[in-house]
Formats: sequence, structure tokens, C-alpha cells
Amino acid sequence: EPEVTQTPSHQVTQMGQEVILRCVPISNHLYFYWYRQILGQKVEFLVSFYNNEISEKSEIFDDQFSVERPDGSNFTLKIRSTKLEDSAMYFCASSFNRGGYSNQPQHFGDGTRLSIL
Amino acid sequence: AQTVTQSQPEMSVQEAETVTLSCTYDTSESDYYLFWYKQPPSRQMILVIRQEAYKQQNATENRFSVNFQKAAKSFSLKISDSQLGDAAMYFCAYRRQETSGSRLTFGEGTQLTVNP
Repeated sequence: EPEVTQTPSHQVTQMGQEVILRCVPISNHLYFYWYRQILGQKVEFLVSFYNNEISEKSEIFDDQFSVERPDGSNFTLKIRSTKLEDSAMYFCASSFNRGGYSNQPQHFGDGTRLSIL
Repeated sequence: AQTVTQSQPEMSVQEAETVTLSCTYDTSESDYYLFWYKQPPSRQMILVIRQEAYKQQNATENRFSVNFQKAAKSFSLKISDSQLGDAAMYFCAYRRQETSGSRLTFGEGTQLTVNP
């Protein structure tokens, strides 16, 4: 069964550094998402992406964050000038959602654990 | 804004027994989707079951079923014949119905322990 893959599984970065988290969505999916989960808290939506542009973003997704689909397969989340509070598990997800198929669920990757020192 | 509430931070069940996890939500919309996701210790998010709000029939997936009460805005998950592998954090989630992708709004989660 096709799945969403994320790399790396664990990223350790010094505060103030830039970090790029990578995701390969399921190949025929059209919508891509990033969520984060701070340890012990609920999963929070960051951003959704469709047709090479952001379709929705949360209040968390400020100028520090950016997303990109640099080629036909990868979907990346860039965090500039990381802060201690950016430490979290970051999940990428994708869904089909084309035409009338709006009931398609989001499929999640295994996550990248980001630790800011 | 939509909110999802899971009032049970922790639940436990004996192996082979049945357990029900509660979820309530708040929305002003009439059409939407509801989901239960499972997060085992490995931290991956696995879809367990989904329900379309326009369907009156409760969704079932093998040992997993839901009790969807639209008027009460309640969406509970029943796990029958619980197995050790069911031990995980369970998240209830809401999504608006629309042709474009929209965010999932998650509850706080319920940590399920299965005792042998």
C-alpha cells in the first residue's frame, strides 16, 4: 500500500539555525499538509498546499515557516531561525480530494522529531 | 471555529473486552467528516475509521465501530474484543466538507491501555 514518507526521522538543530523537513506524499494525491505535535499536546494544523500554492494556513504558520514543492515528488517545510518552542513532532499528510472525492482521508507519514537545542 | 473535545485523557480495558472512547465536537456546519486516528508509541498516525455526517448509518471497520449522534454532536469509538496491539493514543478529528482539502481539527487524545 502506498504511503507518505518523511525524512529525517529525527533532526537536532541549534537554536537560530534553519531546518528543512522533507516529505514524499502518495503519488496520485493532490493536497499536502503539515501538522505539528508538541510533546504531550494535541496535533495542530500548520498549512495545506494545492496546485503549487498555500490553500490554508493556521495562525501558527507565520513568516518563520515556508513550504515548497521543489519537484514532482517532494514537499518541504522550512523553518527559518528556529526557536526552542519549535521542538515538536512534525507530520506530513496527503489526500486525494479531487472533484467530488472530498471524503478522502488524509494519510500521514511517520513524522520527523525536531529537537531544538 | 470548530472544536473537538475528548474528555477522557486515559482509559484502560482488559484484553478481549469492549471499550468506548468519547468525543464531542462543536460546529455550525451541517456537512462534515469525522475521523478516529490511532497513534501507537512509534508516533505514526493511523486512520482507524471515518464517518460522513450526512450518513445516518454508523461506520464499522472490523472490531471498530462508531456511535454518531449528530444532534448531540457526539462521535464515540467502540473497540470490541480489545487486543494488546490496540494500546495507543486515540485522536478524534473533524474536517469540513468541501471539494478542496481542508484542515483536520484534532481533540486532545485518549491514551488507551490494554491489560493482558
